[in-house]
Amino acid sequence: QVQLVESGGGVVQPGRSLRLSCAASGFTLSTYAMHWVRQAPGKGLEWVAVISPDAEKKYHADSVKGRFTVSRDNSKNTLDLQMNSLRVEDTAIYYCARPHSGSYYPLAYWGRGTLVTVSS
Amino acid sequence: QSALTQPASVSGSPGQSITISCTGTSSDVGDYDYVSWYQQHPGKAPKLMIFDVRYRPSGVSNRFSGSKSGNTASLTISGLQAEDEADYYCSSYLTSSTPKWVFGGGTKLTVL
Repeated sequence: QVQLVESGGGVVQPGRSLRLSCAASGFTLSTYAMHWVRQAPGKGLEWVAVISPDAEKKYHADSVKGRFTVSRDNSKNTLDLQMNSLRVEDTAIYYCARPHSGSYYPLAYWGRGTLVTVSS
Repeated sequence: QSALTQPASVSGSPGQSITISCTGTSSDVGDYDYVSWYQQHPGKAPKLMIFDVRYRPSGVSNRFSGSKSGNTASLTISGLQAEDEADYYCSSYLTSSTPKWVFGGGTKLTVL
């Protein structure tokens, strides 16, 4: 079955960097676009980024553009999110998610998330 | 990009029906039939309940239905059950120079 497992979260100081990973199994990763979505504590969902199946196209939310970069390694079945210049407001659970079908949306499969806390 | 507007909370008794609204603009909800709805129980990942305005993924109860009129989408849950108590989020594709998606602020459903 489809499984997505995020890792790499933790506590980091403002201005520092962190790299999240998402390990995919149960499907052929290279067939699907993949997303990152985050959720601040007690708050709603916020779309963060999407990457095309072949990694040629990458799109990021305005709130993270220029600081976060999504990438993937289909040979290793992994999706990454490089987060630089972190801010307190980036504190959230970060989910990786896969679309329902071969299109870009909706998001039918989600990981359990990894918590990123940005604090001095 | 601004979040879609949802009521903060709704409630209903078991067996009743409730509707959650999701109001956007002509640049998101009103521009495409790419509205989806997610259910999230505390401490859990979101679960897709409705996609493309009105379609249910396999395994989702037919008590859940979706619709759209203009810039407002709606999720209706009929025959409320205790396990329906959760947070619900709408989401839409957003017209932009590059692909973007936007979520609603979420609605807490309480089953009385």
